[in-house]
Amino acid sequence: DTGVSQDPRHKITKRGQNVTFRCDPISEHNRLYWYRQTLGQGPEFLTYFQNEAQLEKSRLLSDRFSAERPKGSFSTLEIQRTEQGDSAMYLCASSPPTGLADTQYFGPGTRLTVL
Amino acid sequence: AQTVTQSQPEMSVQEAETVTLSCTYDTSESNYYLFWYKQPPSRQMILVIRQEAYKQQNATENRFSVNFQKAAKSFSLKISDSQLGDTAMYFCAFGGDYKLSFGAGTTVTVRA
Repeated sequence: DTGVSQDPRHKITKRGQNVTFRCDPISEHNRLYWYRQTLGQGPEFLTYFQNEAQLEKSRLLSDRFSAERPKGSFSTLEIQRTEQGDSAMYLCASSPPTGLADTQYFGPGTRLTVL
Repeated sequence: AQTVTQSQPEMSVQEAETVTLSCTYDTSESNYYLFWYKQPPSRQMILVIRQEAYKQQNATENRFSVNFQKAAKSFSLKISDSQLGDTAMYFCAFGGDYKLSFGAGTTVTVRA
């Protein structure tokens, strides 16, 4: 049983650089979510896809952030002109096409450090 | 927007004993789900237990059980017969549509 995978697991970058993260959901899941988690806090919702359609973006997702899910399978999250405040764990989750707020299965996350 | 409050930043419990984690939430919705997730140190988040708001019966999963009080908007987690592997951060989460709103978490340490 293949779970949600994320790549890379760790990313260290300098302020002002662009970074891109990838998420591969569980294969039969059509819903995909991105969250951001800072140290000692719970995850905060960033954005949500149903198939290839991006249905909601949080106000946390500034115009430096963009997410795509081009074929309704894997997703990418890009951060342009990174800032130190972007340092966090970026979590991806997926859920099957059933019902209201069905169980979300999380990946291991990508830890971003902006120097 | 839904808010989820976990008022206990840290809890410590002796192995084999019971610990209860509290969670309250605020919502105007009538149909929703509640979840407890576990995040072990440096490991990924996994589901512990879930509760549908329309069900009056409290959910149980082996040593984990919840006390769901809909009117009070309270959703506590009880861990019975605590084991060393239960050491983790525990998050309460509210699911009203497609996204989850999380509390700040409670760090649980099980002592040998």
